[in-house]
Amino acid sequence: DAKTTQPPSMDCAEGRAANLPCNHSTISGNEYVYWYRQIHSQGPQYIIHGLKNNETNEMASLIITEDRKSSTLILPHATLRDTAVYYCIVRVYGSGGSNYKLTFGKGTLLTVNP
Amino acid sequence: NAGVTQTPKFQVLKTGQSMTLQCAQDMNHNSMYWYRQDPGMGLRLIYYSASEGTTDKGEVPNGYNVSRLNKREFSLRLESAAPSQTSVYFCASTRLGGGTGELFFGEGSRLTVL
Repeated sequence: DAKTTQPPSMDCAEGRAANLPCNHSTISGNEYVYWYRQIHSQGPQYIIHGLKNNETNEMASLIITEDRKSSTLILPHATLRDTAVYYCIVRVYGSGGSNYKLTFGKGTLLTVNP
Repeated sequence: NAGVTQTPKFQVLKTGQSMTLQCAQDMNHNSMYWYRQDPGMGLRLIYYSASEGTTDKGEVPNGYNVSRLNKREFSLRLESAAPSQTSVYFCASTRLGGGTGELFFGEGSRLTVL
């Protein structure tokens, strides 16, 4: 299974862009990168995903390096409500049931400061 | 649209008691998951069900059993609760097999074992 590595915590000033890195150096060719966030003790919320091209939606942008070994989630104008734990995960792709085994790490605690 | 519904939201048990956490989704998803979250530990996968009629162990299955009752419902049972099982439990579902792996989470079930 491809694993991800994220910094345990980051700070960002309100109104500035928040850039959250993720390393997934063992990612395979068919594996997607997903980002989720968890605000306080709520259930995690999907943000964005991508395979090899950069992606953008109303919440964030995802930049994936050309070799796909790392990615960056960008929140263009961070607000106090973006304070959360952000998880980068890689879809496990294998035979049988392991294709569906989606695992999370500890994520990055992003604190947006006023 | 209810999404993923978990019951109960809060529960206090004594050591040795048994209980079942219920999870239901109304999005016609084929795959369902149970995670637990302890302070500072991120999300850890307990069991998952790739499709109706199948279940598989995740990272921390000991002390738990699951039942995929039908396509909508996936329950998690603690046969003899232990204090180490005090945690927040999240159920999630997704459409895989051609989908993109976006997980939808419930609001969590907070379990305390005394």
